[in-house]
Amino acid sequence: GENVEQHPSTLSVQEGDSAVIKCTYSDSASNYFPWYKQELGKRPQLIIDIRSNVGEKKDQRIAVTLNKTAKHFSLHITETQPEDSAVYFCAAMDSSYKLIFGSGTRLLVRP
Amino acid sequence: DTAVSQTPKYLVTQMGNDKSIKCEQNLGHDTMYWYKQDSKKFLKIMFSYNNKELIINETVPNRFSPKSPDKAHLNLHINSLELGDSAVYFCASSQGSVYNEQFFGPGTRLTVL
Repeated sequence: GENVEQHPSTLSVQEGDSAVIKCTYSDSASNYFPWYKQELGKRPQLIIDIRSNVGEKKDQRIAVTLNKTAKHFSLHITETQPEDSAVYFCAAMDSSYKLIFGSGTRLLVRP
Repeated sequence: DTAVSQTPKYLVTQMGNDKSIKCEQNLGHDTMYWYKQDSKKFLKIMFSYNNKELIINETVPNRFSPKSPDKAHLNLHINSLELGDSAVYFCASSQGSVYNEQFFGPGTRLTVL
């Protein structure tokens, strides 16, 4: 079955710097890759997603890149702000349409 | 106008008890899910229903039984609760089961003593 690995587990950046979170997946049939943000004590919420027919997608300060050959995808946050502090999860949808989540990255943006 | 709601928000109970968690969505979606998030924040799918039909059933103990009375509701009943069942349980919904955003409920924190 699909296995998603996510790194780093924690990331601390200075406000205004960029943050990059990386994920790898194992099932080459996976073709949908969403990213969810979970603030402390809150529900996960989708922030951006990408399908396998696209290599990059951008939404304001957030971008996601996908390398299908290498089976990895990354989240890039530019000009980080304190409100970006949260746990970020990558996920891959496997061939049976299950979302398999990574283990999460705790991002801390220092003011 | 909450999109996905769950009750209760907190549930504290003794080992061996039976409990239920209820979920409702008012988004008109046809697919609903139950996820378990453990103390290390791992988020794992348990079940999924599409139009009241079970389509995903992960390797979950049969003490867990989902029920979908209609497209807008998905309940989770847990028998003979164990310490290891302590977690946050999230309900979610989406339109279709493929490539569409899953909207999560606020979660139910279950503590088994």
